[in-house]
Amino acid sequence: DTGVSQDPRHKITKRGQNVTFRCDPISEHNRLYWYRQTLGQGPEFLTYFQNEAQLEKSRLLSDRFSAERPKGSFSTLEIQRTEQGDSAMYLCASSFPPAGGGYEQYFGPGTRLTVT
Amino acid sequence: DQQVKQNSPSLSVQEGRISILNCDYTNSMFDYFLWYKKYPAEGPTFLISISSIKDKNEDGRFTVFLNKSAKHLSLHIVPSQPGDSAVYFCAASSALSGNTPLVFGKGTRLSVIA
Repeated sequence: DTGVSQDPRHKITKRGQNVTFRCDPISEHNRLYWYRQTLGQGPEFLTYFQNEAQLEKSRLLSDRFSAERPKGSFSTLEIQRTEQGDSAMYLCASSFPPAGGGYEQYFGPGTRLTVT
Repeated sequence: DQQVKQNSPSLSVQEGRISILNCDYTNSMFDYFLWYKKYPAEGPTFLISISSIKDKNEDGRFTVFLNKSAKHLSLHIVPSQPGDSAVYFCAASSALSGNTPLVFGKGTRLSVIA
């Protein structure tokens, strides 16, 4: 089991550019979550998928953000026309809710975005 | 409006002693609670969880206590070790009701002094 992986680990971009991040969940996990963490705060939920269906989007997710999970495997998070306020750590997590309970989410290492 | 609150930004404990990290929540719909540990430049690592049907869950050196009437949970680490030094996040969800996204507190930085 290789765990959740994210690519890239770091991204520096200029304001107004588009960026795309990728997340590969743990292989048997059917749920995939995106969170954002800024300095001094806990992670904040952005959106999540069950298989390929996007089930919920936070009001934090402006229309410049879009996420996909084609074929229910990896996911991408795209930010269009980046702003300095988008600078944050973007975290991906996955889970597989078992019949017997246990709703732990397992996080990847994150992608740190810096918008200059 | 912070639904999950960790009121102590930092805590220092001597090696071998007990560390107690506290967390309060305001949303009575939360029914599943988790603790995560985070080192710099890494993602959060799951430590231990508890559902609202229990009041205690133990895993090795880690024990989580849940007081539903007070909307309070705590994480006990015994004995504390220098490798436990990290930021600890409390998280909650309504997973048992089918709503699984996590709501996190702001974290408590634990320093275990040798």
